[in-house]
Amino acid sequence: DIQMTQSPSTLSASVGDRVTITCRASQSISIWLAWYQQKPGKAPKLLIYKASSLESGVPSRFSGSGSGTEFTLTISSLQPDDFATYYCQQYNSYSTFGPGTKVDIK
Amino acid sequence: QITLKESGPTLVKPTQTLTLTCTFSGFSLSTSGVGVDWIRQPPGKALEWLALIYWDNDKRYSPSLKSRLTITKDTSKNQVVLTMTNMDPVDTATYYCAHRQLAAAIDYWGQGTLVTVSS
Repeated sequence: DIQMTQSPSTLSASVGDRVTITCRASQSISIWLAWYQQKPGKAPKLLIYKASSLESGVPSRFSGSGSGTEFTLTISSLQPDDFATYYCQQYNSYSTFGPGTKVDIK
Repeated sequence: QITLKESGPTLVKPTQTLTLTCTFSGFSLSTSGVGVDWIRQPPGKALEWLALIYWDNDKRYSPSLKSRLTITKDTSKNQVVLTMTNMDPVDTATYYCAHRQLAAAIDYWGQGTLVTVSS
């Protein structure tokens, strides 16, 4: 099984901050990684696919990078609507989600 | 416009079998490359991927839950059914179905349905 880890588990930030979340896979998954944003009581929303491709309609302040086993999600300037929990997901073999990173208000 | 909706019991007893139905529109599971996933999320916890079925009836299961899961499709009804046997209180979660394409990320999600396991 491919295991996914994320760091940090919680991140406190202010509006306008640059935020980076890291996701690591237990073995190489090439670029088969997605990032999702989830707000309480709602289904997740796809932000990034194939590690760095921005989903249509997602603001350009979101970006993804990485390949192999290490990946990052960056929010260039945090906006009020961005306070949420973020999950990475590998879809190279079966599928596995990371444990999530909660971004809250500092 | 792609939409998916989960349906099934809100409460099941321990040891019972859970049957959930995903009814979708805006795509067909007879179209090459299309798949439907099931994912769950216990209250306050992370997402957990469960199973996937493709247009060609290829099925994938979470290795840790494989013995308890069965995923099937009814193309004519635009439905995918997930069964999970031997339910336990730790299986209490919101269960989501979702759409994807072959070798692509999940892009559309249902609203989710909360299933509680309790005697």
